[in-house]
This record gives sequence, C-alpha cells and structure tokens, in this order.
Amino acid sequence: EVQLVESGGGLVQPGGSLRLSCAVSGFTFSDYWMSWVRQAPGKGLEWVAKIKPDGRDTYYVDSVKGRFTISRDNAKNSLSLQTNSLRTEDTAVYFCAREEIGSYFGYWGQGALVAVSS
Amino acid sequence: DIQMSQSPSSLSASVGDRVTITCRASQSIGVALGWYQQKPGKAPNLLIYAASSLQSGVPSRFSGSGSGTDFTLTVSSLQAEDFATYYCQQTYSTPLTFGGGTKVEIK
Repeated sequence: EVQLVESGGGLVQPGGSLRLSCAVSGFTFSDYWMSWVRQAPGKGLEWVAKIKPDGRDTYYVDSVKGRFTISRDNAKNSLSLQTNSLRTEDTAVYFCAREEIGSYFGYWGQGALVAVSS
Repeated sequence: DIQMSQSPSSLSASVGDRVTITCRASQSIGVALGWYQQKPGKAPNLLIYAASSLQSGVPSRFSGSGSGTDFTLTVSSLQAEDFATYYCQQTYSTPLTFGGGTKVEIK
C-alpha cells in the first residue's frame, strides 16, 4: 500500500524556519517525481515545488523561490521541504504528493499545518 | 504562467442530478488537464487525468472532456458521497496550476 506521511509542521513566527518531512512507503521512491502542494485555510490548492527522481532538478512557484528548498533522500525514502523567511501568507496545510506520468498527483499525504503568526 | 478558472464556484444539487463543472485555461494546454475531488479535512483525490481518462478505482459516473482551453467534468448521477469541492489542474507547464475550485453542496 502506498503511504505518504508528513511531519514537521507547527507554529512559527514571521521570518522563522521549519523543515517539513514526508516519509513514503509502498513504492519505489527513487522512480518518481515528487511535489509539495499547499492549501491556505479555506482556500484552494497551490503547487509549491517538485523534484526529479534523482534529486538533480528542482522547480518552484515564484512566491517561494529563494526561501524554500525541496530535497530528497532516496536511501531513506524521504522527501523534505526546508522553509525559510516564512511569511504570514505561507500559512497553509502542506501536502506531499507523488506525481504520476503527466505530472498528475496520484497519491497524497494527509498534510502538515504550517502556521506563521506573531 | 497558465491561469486556470472554474465555473461555477459553487452549486447546489440533489442526489441523482447530472452536474457539470467547467474549467478554462488562459492558453491552450492540449489535454494536459486533471480533475480532483476534495472532502473537508482530507487530501485531494485524482478523478480524471489527460482530460478524459478515468483514474483507476473512480466510479464511471465521473467523466471528463475537452481540449485546448475548455474542459468539463460531469457527474452523470450525483451520489451522496460526491458532495465535495472539485479542482482542475493543468500539467502542461511549470508552475503547475489549479483552478479555484467548485464546491458542490446538497440542495
């Protein structure tokens, strides 16, 4: 069974940092592109970042470029999102998601809440 | 960036109704379009990919159509478990973008 489990969310002050993790199981992690998608409270979905299976290529939405870093450890079946210089508008539930062929998100984690507030 | 817009933003319907949701892209995306269903407090669930292909395990009452800039998601006979929010997503280019969502509520 494919499973994705996020951790590392919490309350942080503006300008602070958090590292989100996503532990995966049930599939060959190193075969898949992976993404982070977020959803602000009561709002729609926003794709944040994606990473190639070998970790060598990464892509970001403009609003997080230079502040967030996506990475992966294929030996540990783990995906990460380092979030720095957090802003109130980064408050959201962050989902990790597995990309299927064509960049559709076929499997999702349960989400981790990041709340940025003073 | 490709902008995705959905209409309506919400609708009320009854069990058994046929429901259609529209998604429009700001430029042609071929058939690089997916549809997701999301229930409160849960992660989204992929329903349709490549505009009209049904994801494994999704009931056949869901169907998708369209190409270029205009797409539709149709639920042929709405069931109680279908009351949720639906999102379209383009996968033609990065940044991947979603429509604003359509909330389907019980009439």
